[in-house]
Amino acid sequence: AAGVIQSPRHLIKEKRETATLKCYPIPRHDTVYWYQQGPGQDPQFLISFYEKMQSDKGSIPDRFSAQQFSDYHSELNMSSLELGDSALYFCASSHETSGREYEQYFGPGTRLTVT
Amino acid sequence: AQSVTQPDIHITVSEGASLELRCNYSYGATPYLFWYVQSPGQGLQLLLKYFSGDTLVQGIKGFEAEFKRSQSSFNLRKPSVHWSDAAEYFCAVGAYPFTGGGNKLTFGTGTQLKVEL
Repeated sequence: AAGVIQSPRHLIKEKRETATLKCYPIPRHDTVYWYQQGPGQDPQFLISFYEKMQSDKGSIPDRFSAQQFSDYHSELNMSSLELGDSALYFCASSHETSGREYEQYFGPGTRLTVT
Repeated sequence: AQSVTQPDIHITVSEGASLELRCNYSYGATPYLFWYVQSPGQGLQLLLKYFSGDTLVQGIKGFEAEFKRSQSSFNLRKPSVHWSDAAEYFCAVGAYPFTGGGNKLTFGTGTQLKVEL
């Protein structure tokens, strides 16, 4: 079965650089969630999109922005990178059509290292 | 606000022994509860979920969990642990599901399981 695809899997950037993380949800899934997991930490919710519109926002720095495109893939753009941005970034997708029980399927994550 | 507490940071069990990982949640309405497993450097794999109905839910890999509303708990159990179960386990709570992308998950801090052979 198709899973959530994230690219790249690993990314190394220097401080103050910019990074773009991509997420391709499971086909027919309409919702994307982004989470950040710091070293030894639990995943923290950043932002979500439903039908290409931002639906919820968590502890996402102003230096980060994200969007969901017409094909439902999503991109997380991170600027002015800081050492503290080094983390594993997960994307999860779900199919949230009304009336269904659903769950979030997680991608393998993108490991971002800022040096 | 929703929150999850996993009291045990590390647990060590012998292969073949039974396992119980504790999870307590705080949420003002009907919770939607999950257990995920994460192997080193890997993504999060869903073990099981509770939404409604039978409070004892079965998951993959022989895991089960019991929802106890009176105790605000959702403990994960396995009768006989295998060495391959060594991983980190996260309990998570979500809002009562509704359409629209507002179902963010709040995770506990995780329990690292070590299995001794």
